[in-house]
Amino acid sequence: QKEVEQDPGPLSVPEGAIVSLNCTYSNSAFQYFMWYRQYSRKGPELLMYTYSSGNKEDGRFTAQVDKSSKYISLFIRDSQPSDSATYLCAMQQAGTALIFGKGTTLSVSS
Amino acid sequence: KAGVTQTPRYLIKTRGQQVTLSCSPISGHRSVSWYQQTPGQGLQFLFEYFSETQRNKGNFPGRFSGRQFSNSRSEMNVSTLELGDSALYLCASSLVPGSNQPQHFGDGTRLSIL
Repeated sequence: QKEVEQDPGPLSVPEGAIVSLNCTYSNSAFQYFMWYRQYSRKGPELLMYTYSSGNKEDGRFTAQVDKSSKYISLFIRDSQPSDSATYLCAMQQAGTALIFGKGTTLSVSS
Repeated sequence: KAGVTQTPRYLIKTRGQQVTLSCSPISGHRSVSWYQQTPGQGLQFLFEYFSETQRNKGNFPGRFSGRQFSNSRSEMNVSTLELGDSALYLCASSLVPGSNQPQHFGDGTRLSIL
C-alpha cells in the first residue's frame, strides 16, 4: 500500500460546479497537509496548508483533514476554466520530507 | 518578490553524460529541497539542504548528488545518465527546515535523455 493514494482522474466538470478532490494515507504520523496546483509546464503552486485535523477556507477553496479516517479533501466552489490543472496533495511528519500523491487532473469546461 | 528560479528550463543529454542543475531560492529562504517528477512515479523527494549541509536524503542512487552554497543557492548533479533519469526536476525553498514552513516550488528543469 502506497503511503498516499490519490485518484488520478481525469475529472471533468462544467463551469460553476463544486469540485471535490481527495487523498487517503496510511501513515498516522503525518501532521501537516498541503494541496498544490500544477499547471502544464509549471511547478506546483501552494494552495492550502493545514496542520492536524479540521477545516481551512481560502476564497473558493476549502481544505478538510480527517486524521481519524486518514483522509483529506479539497473543495473548489464555483469552479472556473482557470482551475483546470493537476492538483497534488502532500503531507509530512515533523522533520521529514514531503510525501506527494500522484495528482488529480481537473478540467473545467465553459 | 522573485520566486524560486531554476536553470536551465530544458536540457537534452545522452546516456552516460552528466548534468548539473541550478536553483536559486526565494530571497531569505535558506532551505532547499529537490524532487524528481515523472508520470509513473509522481513527485519523489531527492534531498534537502540547509546551511550548506544535507539534512535529508530520499531513496535515489549515489549518481544523484547535490550541494548548497553560502548564499543558499543549490545545485544538483546527476552522473552517468540513464534513460530513466528523464524527468522534471523541481526545486523548492522554505525559510528554514521544518514542517511548519511551507515549501514553494520553481518551474523545474525538464531533462530528456536520448
